[in-house]
Amino acid sequence: AQKVTQAQTEISVVEKEDVTLDCVYETRDTTYYLFWYKQPPSGELVFLIRRNSFDEQNEISGRYSWNFQKSTSSFNFTITASQVVDSAVYFCALSEERNAGNMLTFGGGTRLMVKP
Amino acid sequence: DTGVSQDPRHKITKRGQNVTFRCDPISEHNRLYWYRQTLGQGPEFLTYFQNEAQLEKSRLLSDRFSAERPKGSFSTLEIQRTEQGDSAMYLCASSTGTLDYEQYFGPGTRLTVT
Repeated sequence: AQKVTQAQTEISVVEKEDVTLDCVYETRDTTYYLFWYKQPPSGELVFLIRRNSFDEQNEISGRYSWNFQKSTSSFNFTITASQVVDSAVYFCALSEERNAGNMLTFGGGTRLMVKP
Repeated sequence: DTGVSQDPRHKITKRGQNVTFRCDPISEHNRLYWYRQTLGQGPEFLTYFQNEAQLEKSRLLSDRFSAERPKGSFSTLEIQRTEQGDSAMYLCASSTGTLDYEQYFGPGTRLTVT
């Protein structure tokens, strides 16, 4: 069965600090997809990134970067020079190719609070 | 606005009443998903449609829940005889249906059962 664990339920940082959100996943599939979504106070889930299991290259997008390591089943998300607008709940999610429809299994989320 | 829309945004109902929610996906997306999110938790999959066909249902979807997508466009989720445990945010998402995809979510319908 697929499972996503986000051990950090809440993180508080001061603006301009770097912060890393951890994500550990479990799957028996060799083909799967990993995602990060942001849920700001307004409630709408915003897609941030998708990574497939065959692509272990790290990715950087502005202040955001993602570190995918199959050896440790982790897909961590780092925000560099955090800003107050980054305050939100962040979800890591997994989709297995075997699942018809590619339903997403979400972790419990990490609430990030960035203080000015 | 070409994103996923949901209606209503908020619904307060008394226990035992029936409620229906609507989701309009992104127009070219043939897959539509329903998730439920309770306070402090991640979304949990309920069901999904490929065009008008409902292809998978979670065990979370009890007999009181029914979903339809009659013409492969919008979808409705109905909850009959609501219970307090049904109080949650109901999220709809859509995708293109190809393997290499992402799901785009609507703003959700927050249901409160009193």
